[in-house]
Amino acid sequence: EVQLVESGGGLVQPGGSLRLSCAASGFTFSSYWMSWVRQAPGKGLEWVANIKQDGSEKYYVDSVKGRFTISRDNAKNSLYLQMNSLRAEDTAVYYCASAAALTHFDYWGQGTLVTVSS
Amino acid sequence: SYVLTQPPSVSVAPGKTARITCGGNNIGSKSVHWYQQKPGQAPVLVIYYDSDRPSGIPERFSGSNSGNTATLTISRVEAGDEADYYCQVWDSSSDHQVFGGGTKLTVL
Repeated sequence: EVQLVESGGGLVQPGGSLRLSCAASGFTFSSYWMSWVRQAPGKGLEWVANIKQDGSEKYYVDSVKGRFTISRDNAKNSLYLQMNSLRAEDTAVYYCASAAALTHFDYWGQGTLVTVSS
Repeated sequence: SYVLTQPPSVSVAPGKTARITCGGNNIGSKSVHWYQQKPGQAPVLVIYYDSDRPSGIPERFSGSNSGNTATLTISRVEAGDEADYYCQVWDSSSDHQVFGGGTKLTVL
């Protein structure tokens, strides 16, 4: 059974940093693109970042470029999102998602809530 | 950047057919994917590559894509189908994934 379990969310002040983690199991992690997708309270889905199987390619939505960094550790079956210079508009549930092809998201975690507020 | 437009809401009676549209410039040239999200839950892929269904998704769910509109069709709608539905494409020109704004399906 495919499992994606996010952790690391919480309350952080504007300008602060947070690192999200996603533990994967039940599939060959190193064979999949991985992504972060977020959802602000009461709003729709917004893609945040993708990372290729070997980490050699990374893509970001414009609003987080230069502030967020996606990374992975295939030996630990783990995905990460380092979030710096956080803003109130980054408040959202952050989902980890797998993508066998870069085109769509096959499986999703349950999400972790990030709240940016003073 | 590429924009996907969905109606905010669609209502349908049980047993009838629901159609949720997703509009985009020449979207027929792209592959469209659909997700179902129930309250408090993570999204679930229900249609990929326009019309393919993942294992475990009922045959009542189908998709089509042509011209400037992609459509998710849910036949014989059940109360359990009530959810938000999102369309999504990969925009190769920007290397970005794009979601539609979502459609709330209400079963009357």
